[in-house]
Amino acid sequence: GQNIDQPTEMTATEGAIVQINCTYQTSGFNGLFWYQQHAGEAPTFLSYNVLDGLEEKGRFSSFLSRSKGYSYLLLKELQMKDSASYLCAVMDSNYQLIWGAGTKLIIKP
Amino acid sequence: NAGVTQTPKFRILKIGQSMTLQCAQDMNHNYMYWYRQDPGMGLKLIYYSVGAGITDKGEVPNGYNVSRSTTEDFPLRLELAAPSQTSVYFCASSYGEGGELFFGEGSRLTVL
Repeated sequence: GQNIDQPTEMTATEGAIVQINCTYQTSGFNGLFWYQQHAGEAPTFLSYNVLDGLEEKGRFSSFLSRSKGYSYLLLKELQMKDSASYLCAVMDSNYQLIWGAGTKLIIKP
Repeated sequence: NAGVTQTPKFRILKIGQSMTLQCAQDMNHNYMYWYRQDPGMGLKLIYYSVGAGITDKGEVPNGYNVSRSTTEDFPLRLELAAPSQTSVYFCASSYGEGGELFFGEGSRLTVL
């Protein structure tokens, strides 16, 4: 079966760095997405990786290793507004998105 | 631009009632999707459409129906509501297959 695993919850301190991991087992691979979802709101797009390596976008970076079925989202200089759930989603060989349950990130002052 | 607009935002239904969740997008996207999101679980695809007049089932289509008569609109119909359909429903659209998804604000549905 197809599976996406990510930690349920993480806590970090304002100003620090946090890494949210995502491992996946899917039927084929056509890219991995990260979305941010604030409580009670819709998910919004953060990043897309299809090739191995690191993609940097401001304070957020996303890494992919296709051979290991592994990705992480790195958030630097954490701000209180980064408190949200972070959703990992993999596009399989049929271009269907398989979603993880999300990681709830709590930022403490 | 309004993006993706969903209505209603909240609704309480009795078991056996029917209703339609409305979704409209003004970005001229061909691809549209309906997801449901339950606590502790990933988004589940209910139905999707690759263009006007074309719809297809996703992972959890039972108890739902859709239509796509125009590029802009993609309503989701719930027939004979059941407590298992209590969830948050998101409509989304994308320009192409595999593209970034743009989500509506969500519709919180409770079936009692």
